[in-house]
Amino acid sequence: DAGVIQSPRHEVTEMGQEVTLRCKPISGHDYLFWYRQTMMRGLELLIYFNNNVPIDDSGMPEDRFSAKMPNASFSTLKIQPSEPRDSAVYFCASRMAVHYNEQFFGPGTRLTVL
Amino acid sequence: LAKTTQPISMDSYEGQEVNITCSHNNIATNDYITWYQQFPSQGPRFIIQGYKTKVTNEVASLFIPADRKSSTLSLPRVSLSDTAVYYCLVGFNVGYSTLTFGKGTMLLVSP
Repeated sequence: DAGVIQSPRHEVTEMGQEVTLRCKPISGHDYLFWYRQTMMRGLELLIYFNNNVPIDDSGMPEDRFSAKMPNASFSTLKIQPSEPRDSAVYFCASRMAVHYNEQFFGPGTRLTVL
Repeated sequence: LAKTTQPISMDSYEGQEVNITCSHNNIATNDYITWYQQFPSQGPRFIIQGYKTKVTNEVASLFIPADRKSSTLSLPRVSLSDTAVYYCLVGFNVGYSTLTFGKGTMLLVSP
């Protein structure tokens, strides 16, 4: 398996623009997670899905952030409008239902908002 | 969620054994202890998980005393490529389990 795939790997945009991050989880994994990592706040869980259904989005910072999982092999995290404080590395991770604490992380998307 | 405390950083040399200890004084009966490793510019990677006593795999060993209030990740004969941040996490082993990452321990291995 290719592992968790994220695109783009790097994104530079200007404040106010819409940003869409993409993730393809490992085939057969039931859970998908979106994280954000910054030096100041560390690695934070934003939202996670189980069988394509959002379970907990309490980590989403504000309404500018939204996430979808239209099918088992694809998820998006959208920021609209983007702000400089959204600059971070965004990770997607997935896991099987029975491997409760073993998540597989993607390579991340480094987002820079100017 | 049980709070974990681990050293901010550690230094070692190639070929040495490294032990990183994590404190989790309020660990619950159903909690498991999980360690992740994160290399620069990569996502975290699962290393090992345990509940009690000792667990060993091809990467590391995890030692958990009887009171489970701490745990020690042991890396045998480290190399430069083991330079990374190591996270200790404590949580349930159930379907809705999520991970809460702390600051981790930055391990620097020198020649």
